[in-house]
Order: sequence, then structure tokens, then C-alpha cells
Amino acid sequence: GEDVEQSLFLSVREGDSSVINCTYTDSSSTYLYWYKQEPGAGLQLLTYIFSNMDMKQDQRLTVLLNKKDKHLSLRIADTQTGDSAIYFCAEPYSGNTPLVFGKGTRLSVIA
Amino acid sequence: DAGVTQSPTHLIKTRGQQVTLRCSPKSGHDTVSWYQQALGQGPQFIFQYYEEEERQRGNFPDRFSGHQFPNYSSELNVNALLLGDSALYLCASSLPTSGIGETQYFGPGTRLLVL
Repeated sequence: GEDVEQSLFLSVREGDSSVINCTYTDSSSTYLYWYKQEPGAGLQLLTYIFSNMDMKQDQRLTVLLNKKDKHLSLRIADTQTGDSAIYFCAEPYSGNTPLVFGKGTRLSVIA
Repeated sequence: DAGVTQSPTHLIKTRGQQVTLRCSPKSGHDTVSWYQQALGQGPQFIFQYYEEEERQRGNFPDRFSGHQFPNYSSELNVNALLLGDSALYLCASSLPTSGIGETQYFGPGTRLLVL
């Protein structure tokens, strides 16, 4: 993978759903990842999806993968103020590691 | 279970100096990767260490070097610091044989400011 694209900003109201989108480039990626970064902190692994899956649900998080369009999305249901952070989509650099990151989507949740 | 730890948390250096950053991987992990995250950007891969050797390297100059010790901990060294080296340096550890690929777990980072 060489280039991962994400929209830079997203603003939602508390309780609404958030959808963060990402396009990636390497169709051979076996796993795709979502990381969360809170201000001044490192990256927290949120979830991942294996490339032979179309969807993965994990509590309030839903990941959708469209391999044909190389499009990945992260949906956060019932968004809370604690979800305010930067969300990074990542794919492996070569083989299965290390990672190429997008520039991140800054999610702002309005109370 | 201790996660990935890094030291120091913050560091201020001047141009031309040298710096060493340290990382201890998550318990049971044997592979360490280093990333540089400039302000407003996503992390950029610097290099990865496995079995005390550099296994892969990103597009960074030779001023960036590293080391891995027998206990899997790692150091990142940067020589002849430039203003542009100011960034958050992240260490990530992984286990190649884990069932979900080499999923990387990140430490809190070291914030380096070069004046």
C-alpha cells in the first residue's frame, strides 16, 4: 500500500451515527485497520477487518469493506463526546506489516 | 499485562544534536516498529526490528538508525537533528505469529521538539 485517503474533518451531534470513510490502494492487503488517537496520546487499535469479509460489527462499531472500490468505512453508532478524536485508517506497507496510514479524520462530537 | 512503553515522554533538542528514544514492547511481542508522526499528519513508517536486525525500512535517511536488544526492547537514534525532525515518535510492537496478522499495538509516543 502506498496511499491511504481520508476526509479530514467530521462533525456530528451526540447520539447520532458517525461514518468515517477511507480509500486504500493495495488490493493484496490481508487486513485493514482502524486506529483512534486522542489528543496528546498514542494510537489505540479500534478494530480491524480481514480482507475476505464485507462487514464486521463490534458493539457500537461497524466496519464495511468494498474491495472492488477499495473503500473502507467505520460507522460509530450513538456517538458520544468521548468519541471525539482523530481516526486513522491503515493498511499494511508490504506483506502484512508495517502500516501505511491516512492523514486521519478529526471527529468532533457536539453535545 | 503491560502495554508498549516509551521513554522519555517529551524531549527538547537543538539542531545538530543527537537523540535516543527507547521502547519496550508489549509482553510476548518480539517485533518493534518505529513511526514518525508530524503535526497534522498520519504516522510514517521509519523501520522495523525483528530478531535484533532491521527487517524493513521506510523512506528515511541514514541519520535515523535503530537497535533491538535480546529482550526485544528497542532504541531509535537520530543524528544531526533538523528542525523538521520535530514530531511525535511512536513505537509499535507486534507478534508475527498472532492469529490476526502482525497487528501492531502502539505506545504513547515521545514528543521531540528540535529548536
